[in-house]
Amino acid sequence: NAGVTQTPKFRVLKTGQSMTLLCAQDMNHEYMYWYRQDPGMGLRLIHYSVGEGTTAKGEVPDGYNVSRLKKQNFLLGLESAAPSQTSVYFCASGRQGGSWGNEQFFGPGTRLTVL
Amino acid sequence: DQQVKQNSPSLSVQEGRISILNCDYTNSMFDYFLWYKKYPAEGPTFLISISSIKDKNEDGRFTVFLNKSAKHLSLHIVPSQPGDSAVYFCAARGTGNQFYFGTGTSLTVIP
Repeated sequence: NAGVTQTPKFRVLKTGQSMTLLCAQDMNHEYMYWYRQDPGMGLRLIHYSVGEGTTAKGEVPDGYNVSRLKKQNFLLGLESAAPSQTSVYFCASGRQGGSWGNEQFFGPGTRLTVL
Repeated sequence: DQQVKQNSPSLSVQEGRISILNCDYTNSMFDYFLWYKKYPAEGPTFLISISSIKDKNEDGRFTVFLNKSAKHLSLHIVPSQPGDSAVYFCAARGTGNQFYFGTGTSLTVIP
């Protein structure tokens, strides 16, 4: 099993350009998440999905859009990149909620720089 | 406003001693707490968790303690090993299965 994979690993954009980050998981998880990690800020939730065809906003959703057309894929889009979106982006997946098994499985991250 | 806080950005411990990492939270509705470990250039990996109905959970060298009245949890690593050197994040589950992460504590275990 590959677990959670993210494409691309690195990307440099100019202000105003658009791009899509792809996340794929092969664990048949219902939940998928996009986080960003910035120095001194920890991981902050951008958007998440509780199942195929669903999306919901997290703590910092502005400037991003997401889609979950297939259960195994979760796409994060930046329509018009800004320097404030320079960050490391992590995708994660997890099983449905409950008392146990709430841990998330993270991808290796995408380092995005917006000039 | 940070709902989960890790007030110590870094911690250094001698090999073989106990490492204690602390985490505070503000939302009393959080019902599940987790610790993740992160190496540079990798994604976080799950370490240990605890439900809000318990006050302690142990897994090998790792123990998590939860004090609900103080809204405080801690991770104890005994004995600490050089391979434990990493950044540790605590996280809490809120409504809708959203998770809130602290800012992380960088642990260095000195051989």
